Amino acid sequence: EAQVTQNPRYLITVTGKKLTVTCSQNMNHEYMSWYRQDPGLGLRQIYYSMNVEVTDKGDVPEGYKVSRKEKRNFPLILESPSPNQTSLYFCASSQDPGGYTEAFFGQGTRLTVV
Amino acid sequence: AQRVTQPEKLLSVFKGAPVELKCNYSYSGSPELFWYVQYSRQRLQLLLRHISRESIKGFTADLNKGETSFHLKKPFAQEEDSAMYYCALRGATNKLIFGTGTLLAVQP
Repeated sequence: EAQVTQNPRYLITVTGKKLTVTCSQNMNHEYMSWYRQDPGLGLRQIYYSMNVEVTDKGDVPEGYKVSRKEKRNFPLILESPSPNQTSLYFCASSQDPGGYTEAFFGQGTRLTVV
Repeated sequence: AQRVTQPEKLLSVFKGAPVELKCNYSYSGSPELFWYVQYSRQRLQLLLRHISRESIKGFTADLNKGETSFHLKKPFAQEEDSAMYYCALRGATNKLIFGTGTLLAVQP
């Protein structure tokens, strides 16, 4: 089954404690991205990757890092989480970046930083 | 500037009533527009794209370049249509730009 898998689904952490949210896709897609979803703000792109070892900032990259060492994986790293990063995070992948083909989304990771 | 505007945060209708979820965009080039849907406790998924001119689950959306709109319509709402709907634009850098979303609540 074609899918994007995020882990964990839920995470509560304390300010400043480094964490990683994993994202994996099994469709051999080149393009992957991370979004955060906040009430009233919709989906905002954090980082994206056009291919292995190619990453770039989205609209709200501050406080986040990513890496793309393998095509299937695109982890999101919060080196020093802060409460304003409490949000619902989605990973997505597609064969092309803009949507000629469908973008597949993970089930989301609900992060709470206290 | 590239922007997608969904003016309604919440749209509440009764079952069987027509539905129109509004989406306006700002983009200087030739737009590629999409509607994504997120049902409760499920992942975001593509509903339809303007380039396909398709009808999915009874929903249609027509691109109106004069009004820079891509409203989502359904003649008779069903309770299972209740969900969060996002309009999205493929921008100049080829990334998807999402609106803030509209929560559709279909009352029995």
